[in-house]
Amino acid sequence: AQSVTQLGSHVSVSEGALVLLRCNYSSSVPPYLFWYVQYPNQGLQLLLKYTTGATLVKGINGFEAEFKKSETSFHLTKPSAHMSDAAEYFCAVILPYSGGGADGLTFGKGTHLIIQP
Amino acid sequence: DVKVTQSSRYLVKRTGEKVFLECVQDMDHENMFWYRQDPGLGLRLIYFSYDVKMKEKGDIPEGYSVSREKKERFSLILESASTNQTSMYLCASSLQGANEKLFFGSGTQLSVL
Repeated sequence: AQSVTQLGSHVSVSEGALVLLRCNYSSSVPPYLFWYVQYPNQGLQLLLKYTTGATLVKGINGFEAEFKKSETSFHLTKPSAHMSDAAEYFCAVILPYSGGGADGLTFGKGTHLIIQP
Repeated sequence: DVKVTQSSRYLVKRTGEKVFLECVQDMDHENMFWYRQDPGLGLRLIYFSYDVKMKEKGDIPEGYSVSREKKERFSLILESASTNQTSMYLCASSLQGANEKLFFGSGTQLSVL
């Protein structure tokens, strides 16, 4: 079975500062990894995902994440925070051979990103 | 653009009532999912369906059932609502499964009094 841990339920950064949201996973084999974002009063939308290949993945709105197998991490970063980035962010993991069944997709508990003006 | 529509944004029901939450997608997706979202717990899968009239239990199916009579519609049913089912309910769909991109609805905030 796989699991995912998001460090920090709330992260506060100043506008223009670096955003770093941490995600660590546990898995018997290299998994597929996702970051989803939830803006206020909206559903989740996919920011980026890693399956295979290049370990640095670029997503929408200037976000990127790097898969580090040795550290079992998939941290999300953005060089310069914007007020519109304020949202809840979820890391998720699934095993590649799970066949896509939803019972294999595990979400973290979420990190609320606060942007200080 | 892709759209997953949940019929109600807010719903208030009484304990013991039968509750229907409706979800419709316009993308001809095979797979549909129901999650509940609670503060500090993230998203937990209730049920999913990979085809019409097919359903599979997720992590927390107790107290819930689902119906998928048509490909585009996936209903979540609370047979006898209880206060511990007060939560945000999110519907999602995907073309090939959870290892592909999920498209989410805006959610239904259900309060059971």
